[in-house]
Amino acid sequence: EDKVVQSPLSLVVHEGDTVTLNCSYEVTNFRSLLWYKQEKKAPTFLFMLTSSGIEKKSGRLSSILDKKELFSILNITATQTGDSAVYLCALQRYSGGGADGLTFGKGTHLIIQP
Amino acid sequence: KAGVTQTPRYLIKTRGQQVTLSCSPISGHRSVSWYQQTPGQGLQFLFEYFSETQRNKGNFPGRFSGRQFSNSRSEMNVSTLELGDSALYLCASSLELGVNEQFFGPGTRLTVL
Repeated sequence: EDKVVQSPLSLVVHEGDTVTLNCSYEVTNFRSLLWYKQEKKAPTFLFMLTSSGIEKKSGRLSSILDKKELFSILNITATQTGDSAVYLCALQRYSGGGADGLTFGKGTHLIIQP
Repeated sequence: KAGVTQTPRYLIKTRGQQVTLSCSPISGHRSVSWYQQTPGQGLQFLFEYFSETQRNKGNFPGRFSGRQFSNSRSEMNVSTLELGDSALYLCASSLELGVNEQFFGPGTRLTVL
């Protein structure tokens, strides 16, 4: 059975700090790993990673995948209070029908204190 | 471009009743996936529809079903509601089947009393 484990489950830091969120996984027929940010309701898409060692970057957020060690990290630099949210890691694998639905981790609840 | 819309946003039902939730994907998106989110289990995949056919299914009982219409709009139905079905039900749309970048709607908060 596919598994996605995120750590830490919660994290409180001060504005301006840099944080690293972790996601480890077990899957057969890996297709992609995705990161989402969930504030109030709908998760919003951040990154999709398919290849090892290639960093994806968007502003102060960046992410990288290690397919050998089966983990990904999400970095946020110079954190702001607006970064407070639950960050979700999700896995997708290939299946007979093309691809399966996403398997999500429990998320990391990040709180940025002013 | 309008995002994914879901109706209703909130719903209260009693055990044994059935419920139908609706999802309109982003214009041009042909695939719709449904997820259940609870504090204990997190986000779990229910099923995915494409071209009016269910293409993938998660590990949920047969009380959970869905359908997709020719305009890509989708509905999910839960029959014989149980207390444990109380959850946020999220719909996500993507351009094609199996496309990773899924855009989520605001969800329907279902409470079963």
